[in-house]
Amino acid sequence: GAVVSQHPSWVICKSGTSVKIECRSLDFQATTMFWYRQFPKQSLMLMATSNEGSKATYEQGVEKDKFLINHASLTLSTLTVTSAHPEDSSFYICSARGYRPPDTQYFGPGTRLTVL
Amino acid sequence: GQNIDQPTEMTATEGAIVQINCTYQTSGFNGLFWYQQHAGEAPTFLSYNVLDGLEEKGRFSSFLSRSKGYSYLLLKELQMKDSASYLCAVEGNTPLVFGKGTRLSVIA
Repeated sequence: GAVVSQHPSWVICKSGTSVKIECRSLDFQATTMFWYRQFPKQSLMLMATSNEGSKATYEQGVEKDKFLINHASLTLSTLTVTSAHPEDSSFYICSARGYRPPDTQYFGPGTRLTVL
Repeated sequence: GQNIDQPTEMTATEGAIVQINCTYQTSGFNGLFWYQQHAGEAPTFLSYNVLDGLEEKGRFSSFLSRSKGYSYLLLKELQMKDSASYLCAVEGNTPLVFGKGTRLSVIA
């Protein structure tokens, strides 16, 4: 199946710092990438959708100035959590979708963010 | 709006068959997906249904009835490694919306 990587797999940072998470599609061109957040024992919540070369579309309640998304190429999207706070601690997962049928989203391994 | 319902937890015996149901209400319909998620890991794709009927893939099968807004995931010959959460997700006029997942425990 398709491979999507995420880096880093885990990060611990101090409150007020910014953290960048990279998402790469390794064996296909991702026309669309998605960013999700998942709190313990809860479902995945979509944060934003990004298409290569255009601005991301954020879900209601997600601050676009706090969660900066860049989709610079067909294989790379980044999520930057700016001025992170403890309540931002979560499991962040990206997924990528390309042209291959059945138009499935393939998920990266996730990044566990802990803000102290 | 979008709403996806599935049972919170299920328990089944090794070697048995288990069916996980999912009902949904969405604006538009472009497909229903099942994902498996082990604790602390990202979801992995299991199956995709866009037409009514049964899709079989090895020990896993998924069924869809669009008129009823209903799907199920069938797991046969259960193994201990099948203990995980199973997520039903629907793509309508918006990107994938996930259910809260069904935590399956396989016991000896």
